[in-house]
Amino acid sequence: SAVISQKPSRDICQRGTSLTIQCQVDSQVTMMFWYRQQPGQSLTLIATANQGSEATYESGFVIDKFPISRPNLTFSTLTVSNMSPEDSSIYLCSVELAGAYEQYFGPGTRLTVT
Amino acid sequence: DAKTTQPNSMESNEEEPVHLPCNHSTISGTDYIHWYRQLPSQGPEYVIHGLTSNVNNRMASLAIAEDRKSSTLILHRATLRDAAVYYCILSVLMGAQKLVFGQGTRLTINP
Repeated sequence: SAVISQKPSRDICQRGTSLTIQCQVDSQVTMMFWYRQQPGQSLTLIATANQGSEATYESGFVIDKFPISRPNLTFSTLTVSNMSPEDSSIYLCSVELAGAYEQYFGPGTRLTVT
Repeated sequence: DAKTTQPNSMESNEEEPVHLPCNHSTISGTDYIHWYRQLPSQGPEYVIHGLTSNVNNRMASLAIAEDRKSSTLILHRATLRDAAVYYCILSVLMGAQKLVFGQGTRLTINP
């Protein structure tokens, strides 16, 4: 299994600013993922964070808006740039362990943009 | 990505079995059926997965139809802690699994 922590757990931000969310895993993992969960909705995959290479973004998400870093096998960051109220969501990271079938999710970061 | 269809909500009583259905009529031969659940204010957690045969683990059982176009997650004896949104997801177990979450079924457990 894997234990995942995210920082911050929640934040309230002003329109036009940026927030960087951190995801830390207690073991080395190859695959890390970032999801968004808008209020009352299901989860949507933003991107796959690959160590040593550029993140792979899903349709509708772009690097300029959601830059991702993956400096090592236990850590990743997601930045939400130039925020608007529509970015108010819960942002979750998840990891996939080598040889495992399941993904483990962090507790999420609840972002409110005013 | 193949699509799944689940009821929006279900309700059951504590200590009774719960059968959560999922339809996936466009499933391909390489798609695994995964179930995750999301407890209130938490990230999703893995429940179970299967390909063709029925599967059991400590949390639940997964019954897969012979034609694989539907499946049922079975909680044998529901507790209040099982109240959550349950997601049925199809994914290929190859490389990075892209989990495409549908709307899921919100399960309410009555005491």
